[in-house]
Amino acid sequence: AQSVTQLDSHVSVSEGTPVLLRCNYSSSYSPSLFWYVQHPNKGLQLLLKYTSAATLVKGINGFEAEFKKSETSFHLTKPSAHMSDAAEYFCVVRTDTGTASKLTFGTGTRLQVTL
Amino acid sequence: DSGVTQTPKHLITATGQRVTLRCSPRSGDLSVYWYQQSLDQGLQFLIQYYNGEERAKGNILERFSAQQFPDLHSELNLSSLELGDSALYFCASSVWDREIDEQFFGPGTRLTVL
Repeated sequence: AQSVTQLDSHVSVSEGTPVLLRCNYSSSYSPSLFWYVQHPNKGLQLLLKYTSAATLVKGINGFEAEFKKSETSFHLTKPSAHMSDAAEYFCVVRTDTGTASKLTFGTGTRLQVTL
Repeated sequence: DSGVTQTPKHLITATGQRVTLRCSPRSGDLSVYWYQQSLDQGLQFLIQYYNGEERAKGNILERFSAQQFPDLHSELNLSSLELGDSALYFCASSVWDREIDEQFFGPGTRLTVL
């Protein structure tokens, strides 16, 4: 079964400093990986996705993630944090089985951005 | 705004009761997915429908059922409710069920069971 592990439940950064949210995956074949963000009392929004094209994936709001097969990692980064980035971030793996698909979510990382 | 709508936004009910959550997918999307987000279980996939047919099941309890209607809207029925069913229920939709495409999430329905 495919799964993802988010290594930090909480990350706190100062505004203007880099963000690193870590995610490791487990998959028997090349996975489809995603990062979703959930702002307080809001639904989930797709930040970026990896589907075996380029290993460095650029997303919205300045976020990017790099797929590293050798390390089975898909860490999310942003060069400079903004107050509006404070939210819950989910690393997600997609499983396709013929005519069906499902997303398996990590446990989430809460990003706090301080002044 | 993702284009996926869910009603109601909030629902408060008592143990043993039955509720129905409704989801309207984005225009043109044929697949609908239901997810449950709770403090102890996190975000879990419940069930997927594609053009009216059930396609995949996740950790959905037997007390829960869903369907997708000809106009493509979907309903999630939760019965014999327990305190532990209190959660945020999300619906998502996508165009195809086979392609590597994006699932668009609705704002969720917050269910509180007292």
